[in-house]
Amino acid sequence: QVQLVESGGGVVQPGRSLRVSCAASGFTFSSHGMHWVRQAPGKGLEWVAVISYDGSNKYYADSVKGRFTISRDNSKNTMYMQMNSLRAEDTAVYYCAKDGGSGIIEYWGQGTLVTVSS
Amino acid sequence: EIVMTQSPATLSVSPGERATLSCRASQSVSSDLAWYQQKPGQAPRLLIYGASTRATGIPARFSGSGSGTEFTLTISSLQSEDFAVYYCQQCNNWPPLTFGGGTKVEIK
Repeated sequence: QVQLVESGGGVVQPGRSLRVSCAASGFTFSSHGMHWVRQAPGKGLEWVAVISYDGSNKYYADSVKGRFTISRDNSKNTMYMQMNSLRAEDTAVYYCAKDGGSGIIEYWGQGTLVTVSS
Repeated sequence: EIVMTQSPATLSVSPGERATLSCRASQSVSSDLAWYQQKPGQAPRLLIYGASTRATGIPARFSGSGSGTEFTLTISSLQSEDFAVYYCQQCNNWPPLTFGGGTKVEIK
């Protein structure tokens, strides 16, 4: 069965950096686009970024463009999000998600909490 | 960017009753509309895609309808496990993917 396991969350000061990871299993990772979606405490869902199956195409929400970088290592079945210049408003649970085709988010991980606070 | 608006924000329903949730897009998204269910402390789960196709393992009491800018998620007879927050999401014109603000279905 599909499993997506996020890691790397934690408490970080404003302006600092953090990298979160997503380990995938149960499907052919190298054949599927992958997303990051976040959810601030008590709030709704916000799409953050997507990466194509081979890593050649990447797109970002305006709110993180220029600060966050999505990447993947298909040899390790792992996706990453490098988050730089973090702000308080980036505080959220970050979900890794598998694209089911054309932007349908088919499977979600359990999420990793990133807290930006001094 | 396509803005998705869900109504109502909260829906109070008794177990066994029907629940009808609405989602409106700021411009046509054809049938490129998905619904997700999220329970407290859990990740979202895909319920419906293509506006009306149930995802794998989703019970038949969940149904979706609509096209263009107006969509509906209907839960025909609410079970205890259905009390949750429901989100719609368009995947017609992206990036960005955009979600509605959610409808919380609570026990009346």
